[in-house]
Amino acid sequence: GALVYQYPRRTICKSGTSMRMECQAVGFQATSVAWYRQSPQKTFELIALSTVNSAIKYEQNFTQEKFPISHPNLSFSSMTVLNAYLEDRGLYLCGAFWGVKDTQYFGPGTRLLVL
Amino acid sequence: AQKVTQTQTSISVMEKTTVTMDCVYETQDSSYFLFWYKQTASGEIVFLIRQDSYKKENATVGHYSLNFQKPKSSIGLIITATQIEDSAVYFCAMREVTNAYKVIFGKGTHLHVLP
Repeated sequence: GALVYQYPRRTICKSGTSMRMECQAVGFQATSVAWYRQSPQKTFELIALSTVNSAIKYEQNFTQEKFPISHPNLSFSSMTVLNAYLEDRGLYLCGAFWGVKDTQYFGPGTRLLVL
Repeated sequence: AQKVTQTQTSISVMEKTTVTMDCVYETQDSSYFLFWYKQTASGEIVFLIRQDSYKKENATVGHYSLNFQKPKSSIGLIITATQIEDSAVYFCAMREVTNAYKVIFGKGTHLHVLP
């Protein structure tokens, strides 16, 4: 089956510092990876969509300068939150697309707390 | 513009009964894919079932089934013989064929299954 791992599961960083989170697809090759942030109210915000060998597409209000993403192969992606502040708190989810029908499978998320 | 609306914020049902969760969507595309996900208390997001717009038959997986009413742009999730462990937040999502890999989520419905 399709499994997606995310690391770390939870992290705390000081305001103004940066942290990197990783996403790994196991058992399948992820054609594309989407990074989301979920608010405490459960709303999904799409940060960016990353397809191997294509430019990463960032959504409005999210930039490469703030959320740089690396997607070197079909099983791994990482995203860094640079200069994290209180408004960056939330659950960061990685959704990897798999299969002919391109169903999206999610990792368990990285919960970011900013102090 | 694409949009997914779940009007039911919270539903409570007795164990072993059947529940239907509503979802309506907006799209300009003639081809699209509809998904339902479940998010558990731990934050894990699990893919449950999908419906491709060109298919007339309602999808069924285990005790999950869909009520796809294309003229009404509606895709309801039906859970039969509910169990306590079905308690979770359920998200409806849509992906347009022309907007490759961009998935739009509803705000979720919190299902409480009572003993």
